Amino acid sequence: LAKTTQPISMDSYEGQEVNITCSHNNIATNDYITWYQQFPSQGPRFIIQGYKTKVTNEVASLFIPADRKSSTLSLPRVSLSDTAVYYCLAYPFSGAGSYQLTFGKGTKLSVIP
Amino acid sequence: SQTIHQWPATLVQPVGSPLSLECTVEGTSNPNLYWYRQAAGRGLQLLFYSVGIGQISSEVPQNLSASRPQDRQFILSSKKLLLSDSGFYLCAWSPRGGEAFFGQGTRLTVV
Repeated sequence: LAKTTQPISMDSYEGQEVNITCSHNNIATNDYITWYQQFPSQGPRFIIQGYKTKVTNEVASLFIPADRKSSTLSLPRVSLSDTAVYYCLAYPFSGAGSYQLTFGKGTKLSVIP
Repeated sequence: SQTIHQWPATLVQPVGSPLSLECTVEGTSNPNLYWYRQAAGRGLQLLFYSVGIGQISSEVPQNLSASRPQDRQFILSSKKLLLSDSGFYLCAWSPRGGEAFFGQGTRLTVV
């Protein structure tokens, strides 16, 4: 499982776009990059997943450069309800490592009114 | 659709008492199953994972154990709880690869 590094915390005002960057220098060829969101006293929930370039869904966008050594989760126009911990993971869909879902410490995002 | 059930939601247990937390998944077969623990203000720690019945892998040595007696049932146990076992325990499942789906968690307080 590729080791990931994220900022411990970030602050943002409501209505701003937030970009959280994750570093995964030793990512393997068959690893996908996945982001989860966790609210207090709840389990994490899946936000977005990608392999390269850009992926967008109704919640967020994920930008992955060509070398795939980092990725950026972009949350448009955050609200107070986006205050949560965000985790970045890089793992394969099959084979060894596909079942060792190890979460790091994540990035605690605090949205300020 | 798939659902995951985890119980109880909260639990207060004295030091030295046994523990049994159960997790069941519905609507899927042969899932990967996981137990995590989260101490207050800390990240998620992977405790055990299972890729099939009777197949348990331990990530962290401790006084906890896990069992998978049926395809969609995952049990976390301890013979004697320690104060340091307090935390938020989460069960999760995933298909072969792909995203993980988490239960609602059990808040365990060892007193």
